[in-house]
Amino acid sequence: AQSVTQLGSHVSVSEGALVLLRCNYSSSVPPYLFWYVQYPNQGLQLLLKYTSAATLVKGINGFEAEFKKSETSFHLTKPSAHMSDAAEYFCAVSDLRGNKLVFGAGTILRVKS
Amino acid sequence: NAGVTQTPKFQVLKTGQSMTLQCAQDMNHNSMYWYRQDPGMGLRLIYYSASEGTTDKGEVPNGYNVSRLNKREFSLRLESAAPSQTSVYFCASRKWSQEAFFGQGTRLTVV
Repeated sequence: AQSVTQLGSHVSVSEGALVLLRCNYSSSVPPYLFWYVQYPNQGLQLLLKYTSAATLVKGINGFEAEFKKSETSFHLTKPSAHMSDAAEYFCAVSDLRGNKLVFGAGTILRVKS
Repeated sequence: NAGVTQTPKFQVLKTGQSMTLQCAQDMNHNSMYWYRQDPGMGLRLIYYSASEGTTDKGEVPNGYNVSRLNKREFSLRLESAAPSQTSVYFCASRKWSQEAFFGQGTRLTVV
């Protein structure tokens, strides 16, 4: 069964600094991977997805993630944090059959001015 | 486009009461999901339906039942609500292998 581990429930960065949010997955077959963002009191918005094409995936708002099969990781990065990036971020995995979709516990990103 | 519509948006129940959360999507997606979101625990999968006529348990199914009424609608029922079921509930739908689209959530309080 697939699962997701997000390392760090809270991450704090300064404005302009690199953002790195970690996600490791477990899946017995090649996975589909997703990053979502949730702003306070709102629903979930897709940032980017990996569906077995290019291993480096670019998303919205300057975010990108790299699929590393050998490390079973799909970490989310952004070169320069902006105040508006403060939110909760969720990594999710689905298996090759594409049915069950499970999420990690989330990482709250704080951006300091 | 409406996307995924959940009703109600807010609900307060007394312990032991029952209720049904409704979800409908207009994107012709095959798969539908119910999650609950609690602080520090992310989104936990309650039940999902890969296609019309099928349902499967997720990570936290106890205390819930679901019905995939047709391709568009997937309801979640609490037969006897408990305070531990106080949460924000999200419905989602997706096409195979693609991203899920979420409703705006139902904030449920059980007192």
